[in-house]
Amino acid sequence: EVQLVQSGTEVKKPGESLKISCKGSGYSFSNYWIAWVRQMPGKGLEWMGIIYPDDSHAIYSPSFQGQVTISADKSISTAYLHWSSLKASDTAIYYCARPRGSSTSSYGYWGQGTLVTVSS
Amino acid sequence: QSALAQPPSASGSPGQSVTISCTGTSSDVGGYIYVSWYQHHPGKAPELMIYDVNERPSGVPDRFSGSKSGNTASLTVSGLQAEDEADYYCSSYAGSNIVLFGGGTKLTVL
Repeated sequence: EVQLVQSGTEVKKPGESLKISCKGSGYSFSNYWIAWVRQMPGKGLEWMGIIYPDDSHAIYSPSFQGQVTISADKSISTAYLHWSSLKASDTAIYYCARPRGSSTSSYGYWGQGTLVTVSS
Repeated sequence: QSALAQPPSASGSPGQSVTISCTGTSSDVGGYIYVSWYQHHPGKAPELMIYDVNERPSGVPDRFSGSKSGNTASLTVSGLQAEDEADYYCSSYAGSNIVLFGGGTKLTVL
């Protein structure tokens, strides 16, 4: 069974750094893209970017380029989303998702979401 | 690249049909078959309901169907049931491994 398990709720202050994780199991982690999706409070889903764990090739939405870093460690089947300096506007639920096949879209598998709250 | 355009709300009575639209451009919705629809209940992870315009993953009821004409894709929910009340999002491949989501539509079952 394919599963994506994300790290837990985070409460941080503006300016702090943060890395959240998404661990895949039940499939060959290296060979499927992993995407990150943001949902700000009361708002819709936003595609942030995607990574191919086998070679760590990452592609970012123009809206998120330079704002976050997506990485992966295929040896432990885990993808990451990293902020070097959080802002209050980064408060959101963040989901990781895996496509149902070899494509980069059509996400058939989702993590449970990680709530990130940034507040002074 | 802008978000795909969806109506903010839609509604129907139990048993009725409702259609939600998703409008993009020739660079995304109109240019590829890779249009998907997701159902999202608050507090839960989104669920893929339709992929590749009109394909249903196993386990998704055939009450859910998808179509596309030009730059606009549509999701139709037939025989509305109370549990269909949720937020629905379309997404489309937009080239260069970029994906766009729609703004979301809140479906209310009256």
